[in-house]
Amino acid sequence: DTAVSQTPKYLVTQMGNDKSIKCEQNLGHDTMYWYKQDSKKFLKIMFSYNNKELIINETVPNRFSPKSPDKAHLNLHINSLELGDSAVYFCASSQVVWGTNEKLFFGSGTQLSVL
Amino acid sequence: DQQVKQNSPSLSVQEGRISILNCDYTNSMFDYFLWYKKYPAEGPTFLISISSIKDKNEDGRFTVFLNKSAKHLSLHIVPSQPGDSAVYFCAASVSGNTPLVFGKGTRLSVIA
Repeated sequence: DTAVSQTPKYLVTQMGNDKSIKCEQNLGHDTMYWYKQDSKKFLKIMFSYNNKELIINETVPNRFSPKSPDKAHLNLHINSLELGDSAVYFCASSQVVWGTNEKLFFGSGTQLSVL
Repeated sequence: DQQVKQNSPSLSVQEGRISILNCDYTNSMFDYFLWYKKYPAEGPTFLISISSIKDKNEDGRFTVFLNKSAKHLSLHIVPSQPGDSAVYFCAASVSGNTPLVFGKGTRLSVIA
């Protein structure tokens, strides 16, 4: 069983469209994250939810809206897509929130291409 | 502002030899460090970690060394195997305060 699964794996869309990426974890973790890996290859945190509550919101445009219906799911909705949104988006989960043994489990990523 | 730096984008090593991947950090408050390994089209997977109270942690063929005064850590893989070919990310955090901050990664190629 895949521990952290995200769909779709590839997403190609036109500028201005709205799209969603879904993420689910079956590890029983309380904390979930969205990371973005841009063209410069940095993995940067975007959001983090702990038990359905938003705890991290980095300086991300408000076109990006995370939604956590329950602690096993964290979806990412993106409005009015722009060329610069093209990147690989990774979902992750962890058992603790920034604990001394924080270890993230990542999904396989969603390659978003905005044309 | 890059708080975690991996200055070598790539590294090639012969099978059976030692691979040494380096990582530097700027935030002296970081007290927990991890290495992640990533294969193409997959997410990063946890490899090994070290707390700032230690200067070395070993797990099989993988050893991480931490030099706090130099703000430097390294990952040693001995002996290197072709299956170790992947991108390796260094990450750091301040326990209980910040989420993980990642470097850009180093692509390791182990040549048979």
